[in-house]
Amino acid sequence: EAGVTQFPSHSVIEKGQTVTLRCDPISGHDNLYWYRRVMGKEIKFLLHFVKESKQDESGMPNNRFLAERTGGTYSTLKVQPAELEDSGVYFCASSLQQGSTEAFFGQGTRLTVV
Amino acid sequence: GESVGLHLPTLSVQEGDNSIINCAYSNSASDYFIWYKQESGKGPQFIIDIRSNMDKRQGQRVTVLLNKTVKHLSLQIAATQPGDSAVYFCAETGGLSGGYNKLIFGAGTRLAVHP
Repeated sequence: EAGVTQFPSHSVIEKGQTVTLRCDPISGHDNLYWYRRVMGKEIKFLLHFVKESKQDESGMPNNRFLAERTGGTYSTLKVQPAELEDSGVYFCASSLQQGSTEAFFGQGTRLTVV
Repeated sequence: GESVGLHLPTLSVQEGDNSIINCAYSNSASDYFIWYKQESGKGPQFIIDIRSNMDKRQGQRVTVLLNKTVKHLSLQIAATQPGDSAVYFCAETGGLSGGYNKLIFGAGTRLAVHP
């Protein structure tokens, strides 16, 4: 069974540009999460989808971040326009059940804004 | 606000020794406390969890201890192996106030296993 996959693995963009990160969860997992870790800090929750619906987006830092999950399969996280402080590693995770302590994480996308 | 933190940023152990990684938490309302392991170039991987009404749970070579009196969580790894080298994160579910469906992570402890 394929795990959670994220694209790209690395992205370097200039401040003010737009970047779109993609996550393909494990097939059949209705729950999809985005997290990020900025330099030297904890992994922070961004948002949670149940199928195509946003269940909790309390961790989204500002309106420059837009997450979508059309059709309830893969998800995208767009940052527009990117700022220097957006640099970090963005993780996607999925789980079969809501509230599961065992989330399956992708390898992450390392975003560098210069 | 609620937070989960770690006592030590790095831990070096000899292969074959036991390792103990510690974590402090502040949110008493969490239902579960969890340990994740992150190897270089990979995402976090679930190791073991413990429900808040328990004080000990054992897995394969790992034991998690929960001390609610002092709000302390620890992960014990028996007979540490080179493959255990990674960053270990403690985490908790948000609980009633923070949301059951998200994980709140600590800063991480790097475990380095030396031959």
